[in-house]
Amino acid sequence: NAGVTQTPKFRILKIGQSMTLQCTQDMNHNYMYWYRQDPGMGLKLIYYSVGAGITDKGEVPNGYNVSRSTTEDFPLRLELAAPSQTSVYFCAVGDSEAFFGQGTRLTVV
Amino acid sequence: GIQVEQSPPDLILQEGANSTLRCNFSDSVNNLQWFHQNPWGQLINLFYIPSGTKQNGRLSATTVATERYSLLYISSSQTTDSGVYFCAVRLYYDYKLSFGAGTTVTVRA
Repeated sequence: NAGVTQTPKFRILKIGQSMTLQCTQDMNHNYMYWYRQDPGMGLKLIYYSVGAGITDKGEVPNGYNVSRSTTEDFPLRLELAAPSQTSVYFCAVGDSEAFFGQGTRLTVV
Repeated sequence: GIQVEQSPPDLILQEGANSTLRCNFSDSVNNLQWFHQNPWGQLINLFYIPSGTKQNGRLSATTVATERYSLLYISSSQTTDSGVYFCAVRLYYDYKLSFGAGTTVTVRA
């Protein structure tokens, strides 16, 4: 039982490149979330989903896109990476209690 | 949106001391959680406590939903308690899980 799995754990991107952060759950929960955490700061909600085919914006959605085609997967897409997107990205899952993945540390240079 | 305020922002403790962390929120919630972010960045679930009192070893938490606050108690603190403690809430009529700014706890030997 893996719970919440995020890949990759680390990534360095050049400005303007694109990438997809993966989040997969085996908990069969409907609610999934993407957060970013800048150094020394709290967690800010980027996007969330309440079920397959349903997504909505959080506090800081600009520069990101998501999709939710299955219950298990909730990928986060960065289309044109910018230095301001350097951060640690966390995926969370939970219809009541939420559980977090290990995070993806992204650096844009 | 909902306001989540945590206090104090920073706390320095001598090993063995007790402490209380507070989380105030601005609206009625159906989900309140406390997390510990360890020095390696992992987010560890401490309590899922939308109301009432729970205890887990040296940690306990109380949420008074009608008065819109929650307290996290750390007793006989240890150096491994160091890190950032986050409170997160979800409104009755919303799906977003919103975080406070956190309390940074440093326990000195």
